[in-house]
Amino acid sequence: EDQVTQSPEALRLQEGESSSLNCSYTVSGLRGLFWYRQDPGKGPEFLFTLYSAGEEKEKERLKATLTKKESFLHITAPKPEDSATYLCAVQSSSGNTPLVFGKGTRLSVIA
Amino acid sequence: DSGVTQTPKHLITATGQRVTLRCSPRSGDLSVYWYQQSLDQGLQFLIQYYNGEERAKGNILERFSAQQFPDLHSELNLSSLELGDSALYFCASSPTGQFDNYGYTFGSGTRLTVV
Repeated sequence: EDQVTQSPEALRLQEGESSSLNCSYTVSGLRGLFWYRQDPGKGPEFLFTLYSAGEEKEKERLKATLTKKESFLHITAPKPEDSATYLCAVQSSSGNTPLVFGKGTRLSVIA
Repeated sequence: DSGVTQTPKHLITATGQRVTLRCSPRSGDLSVYWYQQSLDQGLQFLIQYYNGEERAKGNILERFSAQQFPDLHSELNLSSLELGDSALYFCASSPTGQFDNYGYTFGSGTRLTVV
């Protein structure tokens, strides 16, 4: 069974204090690993797709990386508007399996 | 606006009742997914439809059912509601229903409260 574990559950940062969020996964053949951002009361919003170990993608202050067992979302010099819950999801290459999500990391950036 | 429309946004109902949640997918997307999000469980996959046919099923209770209509909108029916069914219900859509490089596009959700 595909599983995704995210840590920490919650993270509080000062503005400008860089950090990383972790996503550990177990999947029978990875087709893709996805990062989403979710603001309170809203649906998840797509950020990145990673396909193979060693791959990196960047968007503004966010950089996502992938290994064979983990993905990291690095946040450089965060701002208060980066406060949100960040979700990681995997899709298996075996059969028609929908995205399996982790429980997310709730990030708060304090000015 | 993601292009995925969910109605209603909020729903308060009593135990034992039945409700219907509605979703219109993003234009051009053929596949619809339903997820339940609660504080302790995160996003849990319920069911997927592709072009009117059921494609995949998750841990969906027998009291819950769904369908996708010819115009591609979908409805999730929840019956004999219990307090534990209180949650956010999200609909998402994707173009092909197989592997889509940008994953799924989510709606804003329906917050269901069972009292």
